[in-house]
Amino acid sequence: EPEVTQTPSHQVTQMGQEVILRCVPISNHLYFYWYRQILGQKVEFLVSFYNNEISEKSEIFDDQFSVERPDGSNFTLKIRSTKLEDSAMYFCASSPPADPYEQYFGPGTRLTVT
Amino acid sequence: ELKVEQNPLFLSMQEGKNYTIYCNYSTTSDRLYWYRQDPGKSLESLFVLLSNGAVKQEGRLMASLDTKARLSTLHITAAVHDLSATYFCAVDITEAAGNKLTFGGGTRVLVKP
Repeated sequence: EPEVTQTPSHQVTQMGQEVILRCVPISNHLYFYWYRQILGQKVEFLVSFYNNEISEKSEIFDDQFSVERPDGSNFTLKIRSTKLEDSAMYFCASSPPADPYEQYFGPGTRLTVT
Repeated sequence: ELKVEQNPLFLSMQEGKNYTIYCNYSTTSDRLYWYRQDPGKSLESLFVLLSNGAVKQEGRLMASLDTKARLSTLHITAAVHDLSATYFCAVDITEAAGNKLTFGGGTRVLVKP
């Protein structure tokens, strides 16, 4: 069964560094999302992406964040200058065109900012 | 601003007994989701409820949606240890392409023998 994949599974970075989190959505899906979950807290929406542009973003998704679909398969989240409070689990999700209400989540990337 | 509240936050269950998790939300919506998360793992979709009165069942879990009351319930029948996990509800009110899910705080379920 097709799955959303994410790399790396764990990323450790120093404050102020740039990080790129990578996701490969399920191949025929058209809607893409990033969420984050700070340890022990609820899942928070960051951004949705459709037709090669951002369709919605949250207040968390400020100028430090950007998303890109550089080719036909990858979907990336870049954090330009990481802060300690960016430490969280970042989940990518995607939805198929036939069932846009169903979101399939990837396994997540744990980002630790030191 | 949409708020989604779950209760209880923690539920200690005895095997074989029935329990209910409640999800209240603050803004009209007819799209409600339930997810399960095991420790350190991703989110597994359990149910997608898309209309008032929707009821879905899978094994020992049953979810329902009352859009007028802005309430969804997740009912667990005859709890078993395998159901130990954190359960999240999420609501979507976006009109944009795609869906922006607003999650509740989660209910941590521990099923004891």
